Amino acid sequence: AQSVTQLDSQVPVFEEAPVELRCNYSSSVSVYLFWYVQYPNQGLQLLLKYLSGSTLVESINGFEAEFNKSQTSFHLRKPSVHISDTAEYFCAVRALNTGFQKLVFGTGTRLLVSP
Amino acid sequence: EAGVAQSPRYKIIEKRQSVAFWCNPISGHATLYWYQQILGQGPKLLIQFQNNGVVDDSQLPKDRFSAERLKGVDSTLKIQPAKLEDSAVYLCASIPGLTRQETQYFGPGTRLLVL
Repeated sequence: AQSVTQLDSQVPVFEEAPVELRCNYSSSVSVYLFWYVQYPNQGLQLLLKYLSGSTLVESINGFEAEFNKSQTSFHLRKPSVHISDTAEYFCAVRALNTGFQKLVFGTGTRLLVSP
Repeated sequence: EAGVAQSPRYKIIEKRQSVAFWCNPISGHATLYWYQQILGQGPKLLIQFQNNGVVDDSQLPKDRFSAERLKGVDSTLKIQPAKLEDSAVYLCASIPGLTRQETQYFGPGTRLLVL
């Protein structure tokens, strides 16, 4: 079984400041890793994913995440946040060895960007 | 292409009443998921369909929850009778098939409040 831990339930930050949202996972098998974003009253949207290859993955809106196998982490970072980045961010994993494609989510981190 | 559609967007019922949610996945997507997202938690998989067959319903409370996807396209999730702890957002997601690298696309969700 897999589990995901997002230790920070809420992260307040000022606009244009850098931010890191932490994600650690536990799994007995190899996993794919995902970050989803949920804006108020909207569904989940895929932000970025790690499937294989380079351990550093980037999104189109400036976020990046690095897969660290030894630390079982997949932290999300952005060097300069905007007000529009205010949302809830969910880290998720999916085991490689199954066709079920079941996603296991963390509890989420609410990013609050203020002027 | 149109996204995953869900209705209703909001529903308020009293405990012990029945309720049903509807999901129409992206056209051509064979695999459909229902997730339950309780406030302050990450989404939790309830049931997964591949076409009109159930792939995984291990976390579905079958004494009160049921789901069907009779024609392998849209799906209905029902709760009968509802309990207070069923208050949550119910998310539907879909993917084209079962290849391992596909991304799940989520609908906007149905927010249920049980009084």
